[in-house]
Amino acid sequence: EAGVAQSPRYKIIEKRQSVAFWCNPISGHATLYWYQQILGQGPKLLIQFQNNGVVDDSQLPKDRFSAERLKGVDSTLKIQPAKLEDSAVYLCASSLGRTSGGAGTGELFFGEGSRLTVL
Amino acid sequence: GNSVTQMEGPVTLSEEAFLTINCTYTATGYPSLFWYVQYPGEGLQLLLKATKADDKGSNKGFEATYRKETTSFHLEKGSVQVSDSAVYFCALKTSYDKVIFGPGTSLSVIP
Repeated sequence: EAGVAQSPRYKIIEKRQSVAFWCNPISGHATLYWYQQILGQGPKLLIQFQNNGVVDDSQLPKDRFSAERLKGVDSTLKIQPAKLEDSAVYLCASSLGRTSGGAGTGELFFGEGSRLTVL
Repeated sequence: GNSVTQMEGPVTLSEEAFLTINCTYTATGYPSLFWYVQYPGEGLQLLLKATKADDKGSNKGFEATYRKETTSFHLEKGSVQVSDSAVYFCALKTSYDKVIFGPGTSLSVIP
């Protein structure tokens, strides 16, 4: 079974530039998450999708971050314009979610992450 | 709101020592609880889980018991190995599948 795919793995940009990250979850996983992990900290949830609908985006800085999950499969996270404090690893994760016919295991499957450096 | 607190790291232990990493949580309702692990150079992966009070999750010699009365989910292992060196994250999942992580605890095991 293929895992969660993310690209690019690494990106270096200057502040005020824009960047986009792509995620393809495990096939059949209804729930998709984007997390921001700053060095030395735990993952911080940015946005959660259930199929193509947003469940939670309360911690997404909406003035500069946007995300979409068209057709309920892959997803894109965009930052425009980037700030120095956006330097982090952006993690995508997926799970079966509540449509699994039961509680599901609740397990999240993570991609390898996209490391962003803003200069 | 929902949150997870973990003991401060880094933790350094000798091989075969006993490990405890404390985790407490604040949540509305009845969350599921998890420990995830991040080995050097690898992605986050599930270590163990518990879905209701008094459940014990276990995997690879690690254990954690869901204690509702103390809102805790402490991770334990009786004898650590060098290969257990990693960062450990406690996490909770709400009824809406929102998953919140703690800050992580770095463990180094020396021979």
